[in-house]
Amino acid sequence: NAGVTQTPKFRVLKTGQSMTLLCAQDMNHEYMYWYRQDPGMGLRLIHYSVGEGTTAKGEVPDGYNVSRLKKQNFLLGLESAAPSQTSVYFCASSYYTETNQPQHFGDGTRLSIL
Amino acid sequence: GNSVTQMEGPVTLSEEAFLTINCTYTATGYPSLFWYVQYPGEGLQLLLKATKADDKGSNKGFEATYRKETTSFHLEKGSVQVSDSAVYFCALSDRAAGNKLTFGGGTRVLVKP
Repeated sequence: NAGVTQTPKFRVLKTGQSMTLLCAQDMNHEYMYWYRQDPGMGLRLIHYSVGEGTTAKGEVPDGYNVSRLKKQNFLLGLESAAPSQTSVYFCASSYYTETNQPQHFGDGTRLSIL
Repeated sequence: GNSVTQMEGPVTLSEEAFLTINCTYTATGYPSLFWYVQYPGEGLQLLLKATKADDKGSNKGFEATYRKETTSFHLEKGSVQVSDSAVYFCALSDRAAGNKLTFGGGTRVLVKP
């Protein structure tokens, strides 16, 4: 079982460059999420999707865009990378609506912006 | 808004010691509560959960009880192992907030042989 797969695992960018992080899940989950993890701050929600073709803003959406063209994929884009976006990014997915449904996480993408 | 507060680490223990990680929350609705664990270099994994007051979640020797009166969900393990070294996150999911997870800041636990 692959679960939630994130690519790439590591990336170094220069300020102003753009890139896309890919998340793929094979559990037929409706909901997908992008988080960033910074020291001492836990995980903060960037954007999320409640189904194919839908996206919504989370807690810290500025500087990021997302797309969910296929149910199994959720893409996170940085149009013009900034050093403040240096972080570890996690994708997660879950079944929808119920509060007791856990999220399944990928292994993360470590992104450094120079 | 919703928030989760957990004790700061790192927590350093010897093998077979008792572990407690405190977690308290504020929520606008009636949340479900979770503990996630993150081992080095990996993503988060669900450790245990509780969905209503007085429920006790348990897994791998860890336990936590949903205490509505004290808005707490403290994590405990009676005898830790070196393999329990990880970062532990308390989290809540609230239907009033669209079922999105709100995380605490994480507590790093280091178990020494």
